[in-house]
Amino acid sequence: SQTIHQWPATLVQPVGSPLSLECTVEGTSNPNLYWYRQAAGRGLQLLFYSVGIGQISSEVPQNLSASRPQDRQFILSSKKLLLSDSGFYLCAWSVQVGNTFGSGTRLTVV
Amino acid sequence: GENVEQHPSTLSVQEGDSAVIKCTYSDSASNYFPWYKQELGKRPQLIIDIRSNVGEKKDQRIAVTLNKTAKHFSLHITETQPEDSAVYFCAASLGSGYSTLTFGKGTMLLVSP
Repeated sequence: SQTIHQWPATLVQPVGSPLSLECTVEGTSNPNLYWYRQAAGRGLQLLFYSVGIGQISSEVPQNLSASRPQDRQFILSSKKLLLSDSGFYLCAWSVQVGNTFGSGTRLTVV
Repeated sequence: GENVEQHPSTLSVQEGDSAVIKCTYSDSASNYFPWYKQELGKRPQLIIDIRSNVGEKKDQRIAVTLNKTAKHFSLHITETQPEDSAVYFCAASLGSGYSTLTFGKGTMLLVSP
C-alpha cells in the first residue's frame, strides 16, 4: 500500500533562516506531488505541484521554492524565512484523482 | 480558474441532529468532488467523493449530493456524534491525473453532546 512520509513534525525557526521540508512517497510510481500551506484556522492553499521529476508548477508567488530530485521525493525550501511563512505545511500525493496528505509540519517563524 | 465557495463557515448542532454543508463551484468542466475531514492538528482525510456521472453517493451516515446544472454539491451527515466535530473541506477538480484540487475555505462542525 502507499504511504507518505513528511518531516519534521514541528519546527521553530528564526526570521531570515533557511528552510527545508522533505516529503517522500512509498508504494507508487510517478505520483503527482503537492505542497499546501494552512494558516491557523484557515483553508488549504496550494503552493506547488509536480507531475514528474524536475517539473514544478508554482501556484502562488512567494518566498518559497520546491524541487523534485527523485520520483517520490518532494522538497520545500526557503533561503530566508519571513514571519508570514508560519503555518501548517502539508505534502500530498495523487495518481489519478484526489489528494492523500502527509501528517504535516507545523512551522513557527520567530 | 476554478473557484469553490463553502457555507457555512461554522455549524453547531446537537448530537443526533443532521448537518448539511454546501459548496458551489464555478468551472462547469469540473467533474470530481471530494470531501475531507480535518481534526484539530491533524491531516485532512478523504471521507467521501463523487463524480459528475452520479447525483448522490452514500456511505453509512454520510452522503454527498451533486447538482451539475446548478454547480453545487453538499455533504450530509445524519445522526451526528461528538467525534464528527472537525473542519470539513469540499473540493473540485477536472478529475484527471494532472488536475489540481481547488478547496473551499472549510466548515467547522461542532457537535454538542
